[in-house]
Amino acid sequence: DGGITQSPKYLFRKEGQNVTLSCEQNLNHDAMYWYRQDPGQGLRLIYYSQIVNDFQKGDIAEGYSVSREKKESFPLTVTSAQKNPTAFYLCASSITGGGNTIYFGEGSWLTVV
Amino acid sequence: AQTVTQSQPEMSVQEAETVTLSCTYDTSENNYYLFWYKQPPSRQMILVIRQEAYKQQNATENRFSVNFQKAAKSFSLKISDSQLGDTAMYFCAFMKHPNFGNEKLTFGTGTRLTIIP
Repeated sequence: DGGITQSPKYLFRKEGQNVTLSCEQNLNHDAMYWYRQDPGQGLRLIYYSQIVNDFQKGDIAEGYSVSREKKESFPLTVTSAQKNPTAFYLCASSITGGGNTIYFGEGSWLTVV
Repeated sequence: AQTVTQSQPEMSVQEAETVTLSCTYDTSENNYYLFWYKQPPSRQMILVIRQEAYKQQNATENRFSVNFQKAAKSFSLKISDSQLGDTAMYFCAFMKHPNFGNEKLTFGTGTRLTIIP
């Protein structure tokens, strides 16, 4: 089935550790995105990528890093520099151009313990 | 920068009734796109409806329709014949007309809708 796969769904991290969230899509979409959602709030953009080997910072990029080495993959690393990393993380993708719909994965819960 | 405001944090309605969720936005752009997404308890974001700002006709998708008032910068969602499965968080979102590197969504804070049996 076509879609966006995020893993792991639940992740626990100790303070001071980096952690990487995986996002893979088989929709042949050019653009991919990472959003963060805190309880009772909307989604905020962390990073996005329109093409392979290129990405741009979103509104809350500090403490996060990404790579886009393949069209299908857009992993997000939450570094120890992120002061409040406990949140729900959503990966998304879309066709570029024309205000196309952005489709979302099922999300990953990250908890810092 | 664009902002999206949803002034109703929570709403509830009886099953089979009609409910309208409000959304306003602020932009200096003339061409843009507006979306309503649904987030059920599973937390996955699901597209409900999409509106292109240059189209005057309001978008409809089965029981879901919008009232798009461009001059007022208002984009409300009407759900007719509401069903228990409509219980979810609903997010309004804005996208500027996409130039390269510009295709991203700005979200409101959401409205939690509960359908009462």
